[in-house]
Amino acid sequence: DAKTTQPPSMDCAEGRAANLPCNHSTISGNEYVYWYRQIHSQGPQYIIHGLKNNETNEMASLIITEDRKSSTLILPHATLRDTAVYYCIGRNAGGTSYGKLTFGQGTILTVHP
Amino acid sequence: DVKVTQSSRYLVKRTGEKVFLECVQDMDHENMFWYRQDPGLGLRLIYFSYDVKMKEKGDIPEGYSVSREKKERFSLILESASTNQTSMYLCASSLLVGPLGGYTFGSGTRLTVV
Repeated sequence: DAKTTQPPSMDCAEGRAANLPCNHSTISGNEYVYWYRQIHSQGPQYIIHGLKNNETNEMASLIITEDRKSSTLILPHATLRDTAVYYCIGRNAGGTSYGKLTFGQGTILTVHP
Repeated sequence: DVKVTQSSRYLVKRTGEKVFLECVQDMDHENMFWYRQDPGLGLRLIYFSYDVKMKEKGDIPEGYSVSREKKERFSLILESASTNQTSMYLCASSLLVGPLGGYTFGSGTRLTVV
């Protein structure tokens, strides 16, 4: 699985866009980039994933650079409930790993009023 | 709403006890996983299962075993609980093939071994 690097913490004002970066320079061609978040005392929650195209869903947008060495998760209008730890993960979609996820330390996003 | 249900939210057990943590999913997922989460260490994979009666060791299987007799149920067993197994335990499930939709996690069981 690709090693990912994220800043340990970030702040964002409520109502503004939160842009969370992730470096995954060793990602291989068949590894997807996944984003999860974990709100305090809850299990992680799936947000979005992508391979090489930009993706958008009701929660967020994912921008992946053309060389796939980095990506950015965008929460377009952050709210206080978006305060959480955000994990960027490289996941092998096949092979013998059976799609297991390896979580790093993540980024603690704090949204301020 | 689809979900992964863990039987207990909080659990306190004594050293040496045999502990069972139960996890049930209603999504007909083939893959199921057990993680533990500790401050500063993130989520670490203990065991996973890709089919009924099948199991694979994760990164930290020592001191644990698992059971998957039915597709929807995946149990984590601490054969003889020790204080260093005090942790948050998270169960998850996913489809077998492809990246579709990712994992669904349970709410976790906070286990304290005294």
